[in-house]
Amino acid sequence: DQQVKQNSPSLSVQEGRISILNCDYTNSMFDYFLWYKKYPAEGPTFLISISSIKDKNEDGRFTVFLNKSAKHLSLHIVPSQPGDSAVYFCAAAVYGQNFVFGPGTRLSVLP
Amino acid sequence: EAGVAQSPRYKIIEKRQSVAFWCNPISGHATLYWYQQILGQGPKLLIQFQNNGVVDDSQLPKDRFSAERLKGVDSTLKIQPAKLEDSAVYLCASSPYPTWAGELFFGEGSRLTVL
Repeated sequence: DQQVKQNSPSLSVQEGRISILNCDYTNSMFDYFLWYKKYPAEGPTFLISISSIKDKNEDGRFTVFLNKSAKHLSLHIVPSQPGDSAVYFCAAAVYGQNFVFGPGTRLSVLP
Repeated sequence: EAGVAQSPRYKIIEKRQSVAFWCNPISGHATLYWYQQILGQGPKLLIQFQNNGVVDDSQLPKDRFSAERLKGVDSTLKIQPAKLEDSAVYLCASSPYPTWAGELFFGEGSRLTVL
């Protein structure tokens, strides 16, 4: 039973345009969310986080939106750059418990 | 600051053989995790240590997997005997934060192929 879903295995975007990566979750108790980026042959690296008390968090070109009623979060990358090409994982946690990761979305930013 | 170190990077074994992976976390990080990432899936937690004590090993297949973190620093994960379905990348991560509260710092992973 997947508690964290990323229904798009892959996404292609033109350089300079917006990339939108989506994540859905089933456990309404999740109250902390992270996005990780992973390049081939490397470990995942932290990108951005959001807690359930907020609906938006911004860090440079990266913005995460949280819709608790829909149990949905999204990562926006504006503008997209070729170096953003990677696999993006969404992860969620309940206070005091470990993170559950989604299966990832592979983003390709085309020059 | 040195990152999380893992070895070996790649390992190919036959089923029923044994294998061990090593991890050295970032200095000062009390919490250490082992994750299994099967191709096309997200990382799945196998075991979590806080210093040298086990906090969560609920998803560790204890009939074949074992892990230890002696002296609360580096850690080893062992699989014996290996099965075909154990083919995966084994990621070690560490964190200075409590369980849920912050980012994890991952190593590059150890890719295991079981033939």
